[in-house]
Amino acid sequence: AQSVTQPDIHITVSEGASLELRCNYSYGATPYLFWYVQSPGQGLQLLLKYFSGDTLVQGIKGFEAEFKRSQSSFNLRKPSVHWSDAAEYFCAVGQLTGTASKLTFGTGTRLQVTL
Amino acid sequence: EPEVTQTPSHQVTQMGQEVILRCVPISNHLYFYWYRQILGQKVEFLVSFYNNEISEKSEIFDDQFSVERPDGSNFTLKIRSTKLEDSAMYFCASSEARAPNSPLHFGNGTRLTVT
Repeated sequence: AQSVTQPDIHITVSEGASLELRCNYSYGATPYLFWYVQSPGQGLQLLLKYFSGDTLVQGIKGFEAEFKRSQSSFNLRKPSVHWSDAAEYFCAVGQLTGTASKLTFGTGTRLQVTL
Repeated sequence: EPEVTQTPSHQVTQMGQEVILRCVPISNHLYFYWYRQILGQKVEFLVSFYNNEISEKSEIFDDQFSVERPDGSNFTLKIRSTKLEDSAMYFCASSEARAPNSPLHFGNGTRLTVT
């Protein structure tokens, strides 16, 4: 069965500092990988996705992620964090099932940004 | 940008009562989903729905749960007899095509509190 691990439950960074959120996945075939962000009281917003091709993908809000098959990882990065980036970040792997599909999420990483 | 809307944002109910959570997916989307997130835990898949029938359901989605698309715009999740452990944030999502080629768009969620 597929699974997603986000080893860091909580990360605190200073505004302007760089950020890397870790994600490891377990999936037998070529994975479909996603990062979602959840701001307080809000739903899940898609940051970026990887299906195939270039292993470095760009997303919204200045985020990027790199797919490394050898390490089964899909880490999220941002060169300079803004206070508004404080939120919970979820890594997910997608699976085609029947006539639709489903996402398996990690447990999330809560990002706190200090000024 | 079109969005998925969910109502109500917060629902409080007594154990044993029936609740209906409502969702209006994005208008041209064909695939519909419900996920839930128990406080402090990961987002979990409940059910996917396509062509007016359930495509897949998880172990969580037992006989107490049902989904319906009563008209051309709404997508509902019904819990027949709520239990305390049903307290969670419930997210509706939709996608244009069979994901993961077409990423899921999530609503802001309905927080269900069962007392």
